[in-house]
Amino acid sequence: AQSVTQLDSQVPVFEEAPVELRCNYSSSVSVYLFWYVQYPNQGLQLLLKYLSGSTLVKGINGFEAEFNKSQTSFHLRKPSVHISDTAEYFCAVTKPLNYGGSQGNLIFGKGTKLSVKP
Amino acid sequence: DAGVIQSPRHEVTEMGQEVTLRCKPISGHDYLFWYRQTMMRGLELLIYFNNNVPIDDSGMPEDRFSAKMPNASFSTLKIQPSEPRDSAVYFCASSLIGEGQAMGANVLTFGAGSRLTVL
Repeated sequence: AQSVTQLDSQVPVFEEAPVELRCNYSSSVSVYLFWYVQYPNQGLQLLLKYLSGSTLVKGINGFEAEFNKSQTSFHLRKPSVHISDTAEYFCAVTKPLNYGGSQGNLIFGKGTKLSVKP
Repeated sequence: DAGVIQSPRHEVTEMGQEVTLRCKPISGHDYLFWYRQTMMRGLELLIYFNNNVPIDDSGMPEDRFSAKMPNASFSTLKIQPSEPRDSAVYFCASSLIGEGQAMGANVLTFGAGSRLTVL
């Protein structure tokens, strides 16, 4: 089975500073990895995804993430954050359909609350 | 497309009452998921459907919870009787499993959620 660990429950940062939100996963098979963002009182929105190919993935709002298979990590980064980036960020994992089993199930981490201060 | 539509957005009810949450997925999507979000447990998958058929309901807490998908454009999650510990935000999400370059990828589109408070 797959699992996701988000190492930081809260990350405070000043505006225009860089940020890294950490995510580690556990799986016995290859996986697809995702980052979702949840703004207050809203549903989750896809930021970016890693399916295959280049290990550096660029997403919306200037975010990027790097897949590191040897370290089983998929950390999210942004070089300069804005007040509007204040939200909760979720890392998620699923396994490709060709591995069978319970297909289509996305496993989420506990989330990291990013708080950007002026 | 209007996205995934959930109703009601907010529901306050008393313990013992029946609660029905509704979801309209994105047209053409073949998977539908119900998640529950609480501070203590985070996001938990309750059940998901593929082409209107329940695939995995192992996350449904107990017999008080039931979910149906009578057609491709509508799903319900019912709690009967409701209890205070059921208070949470319930999200519906839908997806279309890609068959092109992103074979097997599962990108979910979430609704805005239904916030349930059971007194």
